[in-house]
Amino acid sequence: GEQVEQLPSSLIVQEGASVLINCSYTDSASVYFPWYKQEPGKRLQFIIDIRSNMERKQTQRLTLLFDKKTKHLSLHITATQPGDSAIYFCSASNNAGAKLTFGGGTRLTVRP
Amino acid sequence: GPKVLQIPSHQIIDMGQMVTLNCDPVSNHLYFYWYKQILGQQMEFLVNFYNGKVMEKSKLFKDQFSVERPDGSYFTLKIQPTALEDSAVYFCASSVRGGQDTQYFGPGTRLLVL
Repeated sequence: GEQVEQLPSSLIVQEGASVLINCSYTDSASVYFPWYKQEPGKRLQFIIDIRSNMERKQTQRLTLLFDKKTKHLSLHITATQPGDSAIYFCSASNNAGAKLTFGGGTRLTVRP
Repeated sequence: GPKVLQIPSHQIIDMGQMVTLNCDPVSNHLYFYWYKQILGQQMEFLVNFYNGKVMEKSKLFKDQFSVERPDGSYFTLKIQPTALEDSAVYFCASSVRGGQDTQYFGPGTRLLVL
């Protein structure tokens, strides 16, 4: 079945820095890739997604890049703020069942 | 954004007992999901449910597990009987459609089986 890997597992940056979170998947049938953020003690919050017919998607300070050939995604967050501190999860699903396969998460800490 | 509710937030039970986890999905959503996360491990898909039926389930969805949503009330995950390895946080999610549609997650129910 599908496997999703994320790197790095944790990241500590100063406020204002940019960060890059990498995600790779194995199943070429995966076509939809939503990302979620989980702040301490809170629920998973949807932040951005991309479909396999796109290469790039941007919303506010988030840019998501997708490379179908290498089965790789990267999430770029600019101008980080302490409120961005959370665990970020990459996930993948195929078109049919909508079951999400999650990566292990990247714990981001933004220091003021 | 849309909020999925889960009741209870925590549950402690003895091995062999039955437990029912309740999920109140977003009101206009038609697809429902359960995921399981053991402490320190990745979140894993258990089952999805649409129009009164299980659409897909994973190997983690053992015979002791069942789901239902009677008459548009709570979407429930029942485990009977429970085992020690069922201790985990269980997350419910819902979406308007299946396929490539955003799933909205509840805050989770932390289940401890003693």
